[in-house]
Amino acid sequence: DGGITQSPKYLFRKEGQNVTLSCEQNLNHDAMYWYRQDPGQGLRLIYYSQIVNDFQKGDIAEGYSVSREKKESFPLTVTSAQKNPTAFYLCASSQPGLRNEQYFGPGTRLTVT
Amino acid sequence: AQSVTQLGSHVSVSEGALVLLRCNYSSSVPPYLFWYVQYPNQGLQLLLKYTSAATLVKGINGFEAEFKKSETSFHLTKPSAHMSDAAEYFCAVSDRGSEKLVFGKGMKLTVNP
Repeated sequence: DGGITQSPKYLFRKEGQNVTLSCEQNLNHDAMYWYRQDPGQGLRLIYYSQIVNDFQKGDIAEGYSVSREKKESFPLTVTSAQKNPTAFYLCASSQPGLRNEQYFGPGTRLTVT
Repeated sequence: AQSVTQLGSHVSVSEGALVLLRCNYSSSVPPYLFWYVQYPNQGLQLLLKYTSAATLVKGINGFEAEFKKSETSFHLTKPSAHMSDAAEYFCAVSDRGSEKLVFGKGMKLTVNP
């Protein structure tokens, strides 16, 4: 079964700690994306990657970092520099030739206290 | 920059009633347009998309949307609401040739028995 997996579903961290969210896809998609979702704000783009070893900042990249060492994987690190990290994080990927249609993972809810 | 507007944040309908969720986009050049649905604590699922073929687009679960260039709109409709339609709905837009989607703030649909 092809799809996108994100783990864990719920994540709790203390303020000041870095935390890495996992995103893996077996759809053979070139492009991958990270979004942050807050109530009433829609989805905001954090980072995206169109190809292995390359990625671009989205609209709210400050306090986040990513890597793309493998086509299937696009982990997101929420650093201690992110002022308000508590949110629902969604990973997506898109199909070659139809890049605008994105497929989403189930999300990770991060709570930082 | 491309933007999409979903007026209001919540709509409530009775089971069996018409569902109408509004979406307006800002581009002067017809973009790609999408509707996604999100059930609580889950990722987004594509309902339907417009990519310049037929202006009336049919999607999953009985939903459809009509692209109206003169009104810069892409409203989502379903003739008869079902309890299982209760979810949050997001309109998204992408410029042709762009790798990115821009999302509206979402509309929470409640279906009353």
